[in-house]
Amino acid sequence: GAVVSQHPSWVICKSGTSVKIECRSLDFQATTMFWYRQFPKQSLMLMATSNEGSKATYEQGVEKDKFLINHASLTLSTLTVTSAHPEDSSFYICSARDRARKETQYFGPGTRLLVL
Amino acid sequence: GNSVTQMEGPVTLSEEAFLTINCTYTATGYPSLFWYVQYPGEGLQLLLKATKADDKGSNKGFEATYRKETTSFHLEKGSVQVSDSAVYFCALSRGGGATNKLIFGTGTLLAVQP
Repeated sequence: GAVVSQHPSWVICKSGTSVKIECRSLDFQATTMFWYRQFPKQSLMLMATSNEGSKATYEQGVEKDKFLINHASLTLSTLTVTSAHPEDSSFYICSARDRARKETQYFGPGTRLLVL
Repeated sequence: GNSVTQMEGPVTLSEEAFLTINCTYTATGYPSLFWYVQYPGEGLQLLLKATKADDKGSNKGFEATYRKETTSFHLEKGSVQVSDSAVYFCALSRGGGATNKLIFGTGTLLAVQP
C-alpha cells in the first residue's frame, strides 16, 4: 500500500531554534499534502494544506510565519517550526493525498517535537 | 460549521465481545465519512469509508453505515480481538474537488483484554 514517511520521528530542540520536518510520499505522487497537529488525548487539528508548486493554505489561527510549509515536489513537503517555544511541543503529522485516488489520504507516522 | 463527535474512551472489552463506537457529525452538504485507526507507535490508517447515504463501509470485520437521517456513522465489530486495541478516529471530509480536508473526532481508545 501507499507509504508516507516523516523525518525525523522525534526531535528535541532548544527554545528559539528552528526545526524542519520532512514528509515524503514513497510510492505515489501527492499533489496535496496536509499538516496536522495532535495534542495529548485530543484529535488531529489541521494546520495547513500544501499544494505542490504553490503557497500553502493555512487554517484560521495558525501563524504562517511561524509554521513555514514548502511543497517543492510531488513527493516532498516540509514543515519548519521557526523560533520554536515550549508551547510548540506537540505531535506533528502529515498526510498525502494520492493524485490517482483523490478521496484517500495516507498518513505519516508523525514527528514528536519537544522544545526545551 | 462542520464537526464530528465521537464517544469518549477508553472502551475496555474482553476478547470476542461486540464493539460499538458511536460517531455523529454536523455538516453542510453531503460529506464523505471515514474511520481511521491508529495502532500504538504508528500513523493513522484508513479503516473504512462511505461516500453517500446508506452506504456501508467494511474492512477487517469492522462495519459502519452512513445514516443521513441520524447524521451518524457508528463503528461496529461483532467479535473483537486483542490486536484491535488502538485509537479509532471518526472523520468527515469537507470541500470538494482538490481540497478534501478531513475533520476528525477526538478519537476513542479501545483496549481489548484476553
